[in-house]
Amino acid sequence: DAGVTQSPTHLIKTRGQQVTLRCSPKSGHDTVSWYQQALGQGPQFIFQYYEEEERQRGNFPDRFSGHQFPNYSSELNVNALLLGDSALYLCASSGDTQYFGPGTRLTVL
Amino acid sequence: SQKIEQNSEALNIQEGKTATLTCNYTNYSPAYLQWYRQDPGRGPVFLLLIRENEKEKRKERLKVTFDTTLKQSLFHITASQPADSATYLCALGVYNNNDMRFGAGTRLTVKP
Repeated sequence: DAGVTQSPTHLIKTRGQQVTLRCSPKSGHDTVSWYQQALGQGPQFIFQYYEEEERQRGNFPDRFSGHQFPNYSSELNVNALLLGDSALYLCASSGDTQYFGPGTRLTVL
Repeated sequence: SQKIEQNSEALNIQEGKTATLTCNYTNYSPAYLQWYRQDPGRGPVFLLLIRENEKEKRKERLKVTFDTTLKQSLFHITASQPADSATYLCALGVYNNNDMRFGAGTRLTVKP
């Protein structure tokens, strides 16, 4: 069992660009949550997907959007990148507990 | 506004001692609380969950307490080892709400 996988590992973008991050949940998990973790802070909930629908959303602007595919994998899209979007983006899949992936480190220059 | 505070940014202890980490919260009524371990550049790893009606939970060298009156959870690592060095995060949740709230974490260093 590969656990939760995320790609890419690192990404560098410039302000105003768009980015897509990918996540494959742990085998057997159908729910995927995305978090943003700024340096020195705890993860902040962005949104959760279940059955290809956004089930709940945290306090993030519409520039952050997502998608879940029939195989339960998920994408996080961020448009019009700002310097403040630089962070570690974590995906977590849920069964009886949350399993986090290794994250994607996004740097916005 | 809701606040989750973990006792200090960093905690240094000697190998073999008990590490005690604190998680305090205000303006929040969690149904459960979780503790995670996070190593540099990695995602958090789930350690323990304790529900509001439970006072204490144990798992091997780990112990968690939950006092809803004091609005505090304590996380203990007994007989600490250098391999326990990591950042520990507490996270609060309520049922039927997937927006778990994390503290900023405490970076624990266990020195040989």
